[in-house]
Amino acid sequence: GAVVSQHPSWVICKSGTSVKIECRSLDFQATTMFWYRQFPKQSLMLMATSNEGSKATYEQGVEKDKFLINHASLTLSTLTVTSAHPEDSSFYICSAPPIANPHNEQFFGPGTRLTVL
Amino acid sequence: KNEVEQSPQNLTAQEGEFITINCSYSVGISALHWLQQHPGGGIVSLFMLSSGKKKHGRLIATINIQEKHSSLHITASHPRDSAVYICARPGTASKLTFGTGTRLQVTL
Repeated sequence: GAVVSQHPSWVICKSGTSVKIECRSLDFQATTMFWYRQFPKQSLMLMATSNEGSKATYEQGVEKDKFLINHASLTLSTLTVTSAHPEDSSFYICSAPPIANPHNEQFFGPGTRLTVL
Repeated sequence: KNEVEQSPQNLTAQEGEFITINCSYSVGISALHWLQQHPGGGIVSLFMLSSGKKKHGRLIATINIQEKHSSLHITASHPRDSAVYICARPGTASKLTFGTGTRLQVTL
């Protein structure tokens, strides 16, 4: 099956710093990628839809200036958590549907665990 | 009320048992995903099905589009099957709406 990677897999940072998380589709192209956040024992929550070559679409309640998304190419989207605070500590996951997607498939990254001290 | 409902929320089974997880949804769809999330967090897509039944190893997924219901079955369950199982329906522009998840624990 298709592979999506995320980097880093985990990160610990100090409060006030910014953290960048990368999501790459390794063997397919995607014009859209999705970013989710998951708190312990809770469901995935969609944060935003990353669109190649245009602005991301954010879900209600998600601050676009805090969670900067850049979809620079058909295989890479980045999420930058700016001025991170302890409440931003969470598990961040991306997913990507291939461009040619007749079967409505979607592939998930392995996730990035962010801990803000 | 969540558009996608799963039951049970938590399930404990003994090794070897046959397991069924149910998913029902309120909005008509053309397909449904079943996902598995292991304790480490990574998510694996198990099935994407639009009709009938699919089988992969000990896993079987069925769907009835008219009744808006899908089931995931695990035969001869094993402790390594312990995970959270999530059904999700695709929507506009490939956005997924997730079920609440079923936390499965298989004991020896």
